[in-house]
Order: sequence, then structure tokens, then C-alpha cells
Amino acid sequence: AQSVTQLGSHVSVSEGALVLLRCNYSSSVPPYLFWYVQYPNQGLQLLLKYTSAATLVKGINGFEAEFKKSETSFHLTKPSAHMRDAAEYFCAVSGGGNKLVFGAGTILRVKS
Amino acid sequence: SQTIHQWPATLVQPVGSPLSLECTVEGTSNPNLYWYRQAAGRGLQLLFYSVGIGQISSEVPQNLSASRPQDRQFILSSKKLLLSDSGFYLCAWSVRGGVRQPQHFGDGTRLSIL
Repeated sequence: AQSVTQLGSHVSVSEGALVLLRCNYSSSVPPYLFWYVQYPNQGLQLLLKYTSAATLVKGINGFEAEFKKSETSFHLTKPSAHMRDAAEYFCAVSGGGNKLVFGAGTILRVKS
Repeated sequence: SQTIHQWPATLVQPVGSPLSLECTVEGTSNPNLYWYRQAAGRGLQLLFYSVGIGQISSEVPQNLSASRPQDRQFILSSKKLLLSDSGFYLCAWSVRGGVRQPQHFGDGTRLSIL
């Protein structure tokens, strides 16, 4: 069965600092991986997806993620945090049967 | 382009009352459809998904049911709400036919049970 672990339920960074949100997955088949962002009282918005093409995936809002098979990781990064990046971020892996398996989420706080 | 609509945005209901939340998708055909719930501090819980009209898979036994009367319409219902049904309900769709497909979410319904 597929699963996702997001390390750190809360991450705090200063404005302009590097953002690093960690995601490790477990999958018995080649995984397809996704990152979503959720702003308060809104639905989830797709940031980026890995579907076995390039291992470095660029997404919206300046975010990118690198697929590392040897580490079973798909960490999300952004070189310079903005106040508007404050939100909750979810990593997900394809779970088979048309379903996604989501991590528990990481709340990103950006300090001015 | 494809869009997904959920309504209402917020809902306050008494315990024991019925529930009907509706979700519709535009701009695509034969989508997979999903209902999720987010309870405070508990992440995303998949409740139901559907791969076609009248085809509903339930992930968690509970006080809720789902129906898909039309290709792009997905309804979440309850006959009698419980306090534990409070939460943020999200509808999502994906292109049918592949594990590579991301899901696309609506704006959600905030349900409060009094």
C-alpha cells in the first residue's frame, strides 16, 4: 500500500528565507507524486506533479520539488519565502484505483 | 477550461437534520468524482468516490451517503446529522483513466452542527 509522511506539522521561516517542506513516500509501484497548497477556508490547489519525466519538477508560485528514488523523497522548496506563501501544504502519492493518498499536511508560517 | 462548483459555502445545521451538499463539474466528461472531509487537525479523509453515473465507492462507514445522478454531478447526503459530521467538505474531480492524474478541488463547504 502507498503512504506519505510529511515531516513537521508546522514550519516557520522568515520572509526571504528558503522554504523546505519534507515529504517521504512509500509505494510498491513507481509513484506519481503531487504537492497541493490550501489557503484558509479554500480548497486544495495543485502546485506541481511528478509523473516519471524529469526528476526536478517546477510548479506554480516559484515552488519546485525533486524526486529522489534512493531516498523515497519528494521535498518541496522555494528559494525565497513571501508572506503570501503562508498556507497548509499537502503531499500526495497515487494510491491506485483512481485514488490519492495524502499526507497529514504541513502548515507554513512566514514571519516578517 | 474545467471548473468545479460546490455549494453552499457555509452551512449551519441542527443535530438530527438532513443534509444535501452538491458538486458539479463543467468543461469535462466522464470525470472521476470524490468527496473528502477535513476535520480540525485530522487531514483529508476520503469519504466516497465515483467512476461513473450510479457507481459509488464508500471508503469509510458512517452517517453519510453519496449519489451521482448525472455524469458531472455528485451529491453528499445524510438523513440525520451527528455532531461528529462537522467539518470542511471538499469535492474533487480527476480525468478518468490513470494514476498519473491529479485531482482538482472545489472551494469546499464549511459545515457546523449545533
